[in-house]
Amino acid sequence: DTEVTQTPKHLVMGMTNKKSLKCEQHMGHRAMYWYKQKAKKPPELMFVYSYEKLSINESVPSRFSPECPNSSLLNLHLHALQPEDSALYLCASSQDFGYVGPQHFGDGTRLSIL
Amino acid sequence: AQKITQTQPGMFVQEKEAVTLDCTYDTSDPSYGLFWYKQPSSGEMIFLIYQGSYDQQNATEGRYSLNFQKARKSANLVISASQLGDSAMYFCAMREGLTGGGNKLTFGTGTQLKVEL
Repeated sequence: DTEVTQTPKHLVMGMTNKKSLKCEQHMGHRAMYWYKQKAKKPPELMFVYSYEKLSINESVPSRFSPECPNSSLLNLHLHALQPEDSALYLCASSQDFGYVGPQHFGDGTRLSIL
Repeated sequence: AQKITQTQPGMFVQEKEAVTLDCTYDTSDPSYGLFWYKQPSSGEMIFLIYQGSYDQQNATEGRYSLNFQKARKSANLVISASQLGDSAMYFCAMREGLTGGGNKLTFGTGTQLKVEL
């Protein structure tokens, strides 16, 4: 079982809807990440939070809005998405952003935009 | 230039045989880390093994070993005694620098491994 929990596992939404993806970890990690992955492609980094502050935004459109309410929780708020935003969204965490070791990933949320 | 290159889009292996998945990397940073991840069709990204640039010995984790050849800039994953459950996409990834670059991973394009009876 993964130690990074993502909900929901699947999400179908219309282009005018507002929804949120949730990610939770209880490993005491202080860095958390959002990735977007299209089919048969590697993950692409979207955002990095380090000690609950946004550290990296990889020029992601504003219709994606991240939030880190506390050290265990990471949200991704979605609004007015486009069909090309349909993808697998992966959350990951690591001990901290300077840590040389691995990032641990959740199971992902499969998002479909109608 | 690609920082991580995986030249095998797809690989087949017989059950119980060993298989090597290739990965070459490009960096001028003396400090870096190399990772392998497994992604089954269900989607989760599973961390398998890590090799640091200063590590003297090749990393091993159970049936997984990393054949690290620093001069050739290669970090091949060897899976011994393949099992049907090993069928998945495998990604090689690198992070550069210790603290300056942060824990930002660059992924290769992946190798789809299929284990056959």
